[in-house]
Amino acid sequence: DVKVTQSSRYLVKRTGEKVFLECVQDMDHENMFWYRQDPGLGLRLIYFSYDVKMKEKGDIPEGYSVSREKKERFSLILESASTNQTSMYLCASSSSGLNSPLHFGNGTRLTVT
Amino acid sequence: AQTVTQSQPEMSVQEAETVTLSCTYDTSESDYYLFWYKQPPSRQMILVIRQEAYKQQNATENRFSVNFQKAAKSFSLKISDSQLGDAAMYFCAYDLGGSEKLVFGKGTKLTVNP
Repeated sequence: DVKVTQSSRYLVKRTGEKVFLECVQDMDHENMFWYRQDPGLGLRLIYFSYDVKMKEKGDIPEGYSVSREKKERFSLILESASTNQTSMYLCASSSSGLNSPLHFGNGTRLTVT
Repeated sequence: AQTVTQSQPEMSVQEAETVTLSCTYDTSESDYYLFWYKQPPSRQMILVIRQEAYKQQNATENRFSVNFQKAAKSFSLKISDSQLGDAAMYFCAYDLGGSEKLVFGKGTKLTVNP
């Protein structure tokens, strides 16, 4: 089974802090994604990556950046955390090719105070 | 832009009965894929079922089946013989063929009553 591991299940940070959310997948997937999940809004794509060192903006990239130095790892960075970034963050991966399903991690619930 | 609409924020069903969750989408494309994902309280999203738009036959996975109406842009999920473990948030998602980026609906919370 594919395993997507997010480093933290819960995280509490202060406003203005730099925050790193880490995600690792063990199935050699080419594609990795960061989504944000908020009640009543569903999942919204922040950033995604089709390959190492490659990234593309999703629908809500403002206030975030990403890093993919190795194929298995995709990091989401909040340069200066703000309270409106309090949310559930979901990482996912998939293999390249049509109709490949996403495999999700367990999510990180981030609270910014 | 592609959008996915789930008009039922919450649904409930009695154990062993059947429930249908609604999903509509908006696209001008002809080649795309549709998915239903389930998110139980444990939070991990898992794929329930998927449908290729070019296939007329409705997808089925055990107790889960879809009613895909391409002209109406509708993709509903039917859960038969509902079980307590089916209680979860259900998300409908759309994937433009080849983009590998999913657009999700806002979700439907399903409660299963014993």
